[in-house]
Amino acid sequence: AQSVTQPDIHITVSEGASLELRCNYSYGATPYLFWYVQSPGQGLQLLLKYFSGDTLVQGIKGFEAEFKRSQSSFNLRKPSVHWSDAAEYFCAVGARNQAGTALIFGKGTTLSVSS
Amino acid sequence: DSGVTQTPKHLITATGQRVTLRCSPRSGDLSVYWYQQSLDQGLQFLIHYYNGEERAKGNILERFSAQQFPDLHSELNLSSLELGDSALYFCASSALSGGAGDTQYFGPGTRLTVL
Repeated sequence: AQSVTQPDIHITVSEGASLELRCNYSYGATPYLFWYVQSPGQGLQLLLKYFSGDTLVQGIKGFEAEFKRSQSSFNLRKPSVHWSDAAEYFCAVGARNQAGTALIFGKGTTLSVSS
Repeated sequence: DSGVTQTPKHLITATGQRVTLRCSPRSGDLSVYWYQQSLDQGLQFLIHYYNGEERAKGNILERFSAQQFPDLHSELNLSSLELGDSALYFCASSALSGGAGDTQYFGPGTRLTVL
């Protein structure tokens, strides 16, 4: 069965420091992968997505993610974190074997930014 | 703003009651998805409708039902409510009929509290 694991429940990063949020997936074929961000009291906003092609994907707000098939990973990175990046981040895989699509989400990683 | 609207924002009700959550997709999107976000289960896919037809079901309880109307808005009906149904319910929409590469855009959610 498809699954997504985000090993880190909570991460604290200093403002201006680099960030990497980990995501591992389990999927039988080439996955479609997504990163969403949820600010407190808000819905989920799409940061970036990987369908095929270049394994390094650029997203909004200066985020990027790299798909590594050999490691079943899709880690999210940002070179310099801003205080406004504090939020909860969700990695998701799009299931391929259905007439519709279920996004299967990880449990999320809460990012705190310290000054 | 994703363009997906959900009403109401908050809903407080008692056990055993029935409620209806409403979702209007982005202009032009034919697919609507419903997700439940709770502290213990995380984000879980409930059901997907495309152009008025049910396309896929996830972990949706029999007490829950949904439909998509000709104007493409969707309603999620929750009946015989239990304390454990308290959660944030998200609607998402996409342009296509599903398939893992389809990108879903999320509404702000409806927070349901069952007392």
